[in-house]
Amino acid sequence: AQSVTQLGSHVSVSEGALVLLRCNYSSSVPPYLFWYVQYPNQGLQLLLKYTSAATLVKGINGFEAEFKKSETSFHLTKPSAHMSDAAEYFCAVSRNTGGFKTIFGAGTRLFVKA
Amino acid sequence: DAGVTQSPTHLIKTRGQQVTLRCSPKSGHDTVSWYQQALGQGPQFIFQYYEEEERQRGNFPDRFSGHQFPNYSSELNVNALLLGDSALYLCASSTRDRVRNEQFFGPGTRLTVL
Repeated sequence: AQSVTQLGSHVSVSEGALVLLRCNYSSSVPPYLFWYVQYPNQGLQLLLKYTSAATLVKGINGFEAEFKKSETSFHLTKPSAHMSDAAEYFCAVSRNTGGFKTIFGAGTRLFVKA
Repeated sequence: DAGVTQSPTHLIKTRGQQVTLRCSPKSGHDTVSWYQQALGQGPQFIFQYYEEEERQRGNFPDRFSGHQFPNYSSELNVNALLLGDSALYLCASSTRDRVRNEQFFGPGTRLTVL
């Protein structure tokens, strides 16, 4: 079985500050891990994905995430927040990158203050 | 490339009615997955279609059914609607290509059950 826990339903940062969104996973098989972003009234957009090739994964819009097997974590970071980063972020786990069902966390709403 | 498209955008139904939602996958994709996203929650996997057959199913009752057509487009049907079925329904398409596959999400259909 697979599951995802996102710590913190809401995170608020100032513009230019570090963004850190936390995600822990559980998986009985080697996981594929994802971060998605959802803007209001829109679908999900893939930010980045871990497929076992490298533990530090770089994504779009300056985001990156590090896979830590010992901590079963896949936290999302961005060095400097921008107002346009304000959105809902979802961590997700699957058995592959597209052909198997994806299990999502409950989401973290990111607020960026001017 | 239009990406994943869904129709209608919004839908209002009353309890007990039936609804059909439609999804056209991204060009080149042959697999369609459906997700339900209740307000304030992460998406939950409903089922996945490949080669016109349901291949995987999440924890949803038989009131939720689907279909995939030869052109890979898909429908989600929900019978005997309940108030709790109010949600954003997301369609995602992908391929079975394990090298390049990735799920792409549509903008969703917002279903309101009164």
